[in-house]
Amino acid sequence: DAGVIQSPRHEVTEMGQEVTLRCKPISGHDYLFWYRQTMMRGLELLIYFNNNVPIDDSGMPEDRFSAKMPNASFSTLKIQPSEPRDSAVYFCASSPLRMGWTVNTEAFFGQGTRLTVV
Amino acid sequence: QQPVQSPQAVILREGEDAVINCSSSKALYSVHWYRQKHGEAPVFLMILLKGGEQMRHEKISASFNEKKQQSSLYLTASQLSYSGTYFCGTDSSGTYKYIFGTGTRLKVLA
Repeated sequence: DAGVIQSPRHEVTEMGQEVTLRCKPISGHDYLFWYRQTMMRGLELLIYFNNNVPIDDSGMPEDRFSAKMPNASFSTLKIQPSEPRDSAVYFCASSPLRMGWTVNTEAFFGQGTRLTVV
Repeated sequence: QQPVQSPQAVILREGEDAVINCSSSKALYSVHWYRQKHGEAPVFLMILLKGGEQMRHEKISASFNEKKQQSSLYLTASQLSYSGTYFCGTDSSGTYKYIFGTGTRLKVLA
């Protein structure tokens, strides 16, 4: 498998524009996570999905942020309108975690999207 | 709450040992450890489960003290390739909602 694939790798946009980040998780993984990384706050969990269903979106900073997972192989994180303080590296990660008796396993991270809002 | 890691940064000579600590204000179900090199994605090192054994990854090992709500990462005989930022990720709800710690920057010098 090619791993978790994110696009674009870099995005520069003007304040007020809509930005859409994309993620293709590893096939067969049940969990998908969106993280944001900045120098000030480190790695923040924004939202995560289990079997395409959002489980916890308490980390989404504002209503300007929304995330969807229409199927098991694709997820988007949208910012509308974007602001300069949204500038960060956004990571998507997937995991084959299971509930119940099976053991937790690792999260595989994509290479990230570096977003710059000017 | 974000778990707190200590130290914030450490510089070592090749072959020296180091310990990185991760403390949470909440009871923990499990702890992940990751290493991130500059400009790259975090890479999984190991997971520690509540009631589980101490884990090892090459010359890196980790422990999980449930009572103290903390985990420690032990780097033995450090190598140049160990340089990077180490993060702990903690799950305090048993729902796989991992919150990452503040990070520890490790630099190994030849």
